[in-house]
Amino acid sequence: EPEVTQTPSHQVTQMGQEVILRCVPISNHLYFYWYRQILGQKVEFLVSFYNNEISEKSEIFDDQFSVERPDGSNFTLKIRSTKLEDSAMYFCASSGIGIASYEQYFGPGTRLTVT
Amino acid sequence: GDSVTQMEGPVTLSEEAFLTINCTYTATGYPSLFWYVQYPGEGLQLLLKATKADDKGSNKGFEATYRKETTSFHLEKGSVQVSDSAVYFCALAGAGSYQLTFGKGTKLSVIP
Repeated sequence: EPEVTQTPSHQVTQMGQEVILRCVPISNHLYFYWYRQILGQKVEFLVSFYNNEISEKSEIFDDQFSVERPDGSNFTLKIRSTKLEDSAMYFCASSGIGIASYEQYFGPGTRLTVT
Repeated sequence: GDSVTQMEGPVTLSEEAFLTINCTYTATGYPSLFWYVQYPGEGLQLLLKATKADDKGSNKGFEATYRKETTSFHLEKGSVQVSDSAVYFCALAGAGSYQLTFGKGTKLSVIP
């Protein structure tokens, strides 16, 4: 069964460093998403991406964040200068088109620890 | 803005017990409603969905009915198994949006 994959599973970085989280969505999906979950809190939407541009973003997704689909398979989330409060589990998701666009398939997550 | 409230956990049940996890929502218009499940060490998996009022979503013995009058989407299963132990998330997507708004999650533990 096709699945969304994410690398790395765990990333430790120092405050102020740049990190790139990588995702490989399901191959025939066209919508891509990033969510995050701070420990003990809700899963929060960050951004959605379609047709090589951002379609929706939340207040969390400020200038420190960017997304990119650098080739036909990867979808990345970059945090330019990490802060302690960026420590969280980051989930990538993808979905198809039409009615299937409401069915988002999630990856296993990348745990980001900022020290 | 949109929000989802689900019952606090953790919930511990014996095998074959009846399960209800309550979920209520606040949204404008007619959102789509979802239940996701997260097994230990894995990502969120879509369990079931309902896209309009009175729709019933069902999968793997789980059911939930979209009740617009009570703004609810409670998850039920008649007889739980140990393998159902996981965290369950209620979520909505607002009308015209693919952005999911999640509840806090309810951890279910089923003991033999």
